[in-house]
Amino acid sequence: QSVLTQPPSVSGAPGQRVTISCTVSSSDIAAGYDVHWYQQIPETAPKLLIYSNSNRPSGVPDRFSGSKSGTSASLAISGLQPEDEADYYCQSYDSSLSGWVFGGGTKLTVL
Amino acid sequence: EVQLLESGGGLVQPGGSLRLSCAASGFTFSYYAMTWVRQAPGKGLEWVSAMSGGGNTYHADSVKGRFIISRDNSKNTLYLQMNSLRGEDTAVYYCAKAPKYDFWGGDWFDPWGQGTLVTVSS
Repeated sequence: QSVLTQPPSVSGAPGQRVTISCTVSSSDIAAGYDVHWYQQIPETAPKLLIYSNSNRPSGVPDRFSGSKSGTSASLAISGLQPEDEADYYCQSYDSSLSGWVFGGGTKLTVL
Repeated sequence: EVQLLESGGGLVQPGGSLRLSCAASGFTFSYYAMTWVRQAPGKGLEWVSAMSGGGNTYHADSVKGRFIISRDNSKNTLYLQMNSLRGEDTAVYYCAKAPKYDFWGGDWFDPWGQGTLVTVSS
């Protein structure tokens, strides 16, 4: 059972906006550790999309945005494009496990 | 450009051993912490092991006592020695770079290598 809970799937039409939630079940994470997001296109390695809750690495389009409030983090993707179809993972740290944890992943389908 | 290239994967019998390598280039390897993350077929990501630039190591409970992470800064290479392998260790293993020399919990991993497949089966 992951301490980071994501919906298994979300979908949206091209041009629409979708959000992916990441609910934190650990008080340690809720208390202070940052949440990060990765995009994984099938058959490729994960790619960092958002770090420290809301920061975009260089090269990531501003269509992608992240936020965190209390026990929940979210990834928003606006202006959906077909190439956004991928799996998305949130990640943080759990001091009770003394290790880094990932959400179960959310499959985004662009209709 | 930062590049990470994993190698060493393959088919191994249950109870066997395998050593993975991750060759790094495009950055000063000794200055950064590194990590291994795996992904079982059709499943999500699972953090495995991590090592700071100074040599502190961390392992997930699922591999503690069986896997050993190490690094050779003179060769710009990260390793994962995997012993007593089990079927549930079957996965693509990725190495990834951490943002700093030491880990502090709030770290992210970027970039990732292309991965190497480990299959544990008789």
